Amino acid sequence: AQSVTQLDSQVPVFEEAPVELRCNYSSSVSVYLFWYVQYPNQGLQLLLKYLSGSTLVKGINGFEAEFNKSQTSFHLRKPSVHISDTAEYFCAVSEIRGNTPLVFGKGTRLSVIA
Amino acid sequence: EAGVAQSPRYKIIEKRQSVAFWCNPISGHATLYWYQQILGQGPKLLIQFQNNGVVDDSQLPKDRFSAERLKGVDSTLKIQPAKLEDSAVYLCASSPGAGTGSREQYFGPGTRLTVT
Repeated sequence: AQSVTQLDSQVPVFEEAPVELRCNYSSSVSVYLFWYVQYPNQGLQLLLKYLSGSTLVKGINGFEAEFNKSQTSFHLRKPSVHISDTAEYFCAVSEIRGNTPLVFGKGTRLSVIA
Repeated sequence: EAGVAQSPRYKIIEKRQSVAFWCNPISGHATLYWYQQILGQGPKLLIQFQNNGVVDDSQLPKDRFSAERLKGVDSTLKIQPAKLEDSAVYLCASSPGAGTGSREQYFGPGTRLTVT
């Protein structure tokens, strides 16, 4: 079984400042890693994913994440945030085998302050 | 391409009543998921379909929840009878399916259920 821990439930940050949202996972098998964003009253939208290859993954809206296998982490970063980045961010994993469902963390609420 | 469609978007019912949610996945997607998202938590899988067969329903409370995916396209999720703790957002997602190489799941807007 897998589990995902998002270490911060809320992260306030000033506009144009950098941000890092932390994610650690636990799994006995190899996994794929994902970050999703959820805007109010909307479904989840994929920001980026790590399947294989380069451990630095670039996604939409200027976000990037780095897979660290030794630390079982997949932290999300953005060098300069905008007001429009205010949302809930979810880290998720799924087993590499088959077409397994996603296991999500509890989410991190990013609030960008003008 | 059209995204995952869900209806209704909002539903308020009293406890012990029944309710049904509908999902239409992206055309051609073989795999369909229903997730439950309780306020303040991440989504949790309820059931996964591959075409019209159930792959995983281990976390579905089968005494009150049921789901079907007739003809391998649309799906309905039913709760009967509802309890207060069923208040949540119910998310439907679809993906192309095993063997396609795509692991991305596409989510619908969700149905927000309030049980009073």
